[in-house]
Amino acid sequence: SQQGEEDPQALSIQEGENATMNCSYKTSINNLQWYRQNSGRGLVHLILIRSNEREKHSGRLRVTLDTSKKSSSLLITASRAADTASYFCATDYVQGAQKLVFGQGTRLTINP
Amino acid sequence: EPEVTQTPSHQVTQMGQEVILRCVPISNHLYFYWYRQILGQKVEFLVSFYNNEISEKSEIFDDQFSVERPDGSNFTLKIRSTKLEDSAMYFCASNQRTGTHYGYTFGSGTRLTVV
Repeated sequence: SQQGEEDPQALSIQEGENATMNCSYKTSINNLQWYRQNSGRGLVHLILIRSNEREKHSGRLRVTLDTSKKSSSLLITASRAADTASYFCATDYVQGAQKLVFGQGTRLTINP
Repeated sequence: EPEVTQTPSHQVTQMGQEVILRCVPISNHLYFYWYRQILGQKVEFLVSFYNNEISEKSEIFDDQFSVERPDGSNFTLKIRSTKLEDSAMYFCASNQRTGTHYGYTFGSGTRLTVV
């Protein structure tokens, strides 16, 4: 089954605004991770939230996890032009483990 | 900050040729992975490797693919006879251990173009 579906697929906002991206998944997980990918480049790990956590912060990033709804959100506050990238959620799920299942990603564009 | 290093960054090969993609994982990591991303699509798991053997592989990872850790530092992905549909970005990743606490460190990828 598919895991880690993000929405929206694309988001365009003005610099300084907050950006919120959502992710849904289908099966029980160990943790959920968010990654950033600049165009044509590698994946950069941003933040990991465990299944027993509800919220986590790292700098301008805030991640929430609702295991009852099987959903997560990534909030980037006070966005900057350098935040322009694709953002992926990835689930590390309980059964079968040892691999991440990625969603399609959200393409975020920050307009100066 | 420790990095996962991949070489080459870009490889162009003719259909039917063999290619070897190389990765140097972080030195104290124990679990190694290959993922691929076809242009415009999601990142897909190919294979995980632990204790010198494959621990899990996806349907994509057929007999044309193999992995090896030949010398204790390099981790390679070999595609024996490339097809046009193998064109993709290939990412190597490693982590210290699986479980609830550990994120993965990805390399910057090798862009494979099969012509």
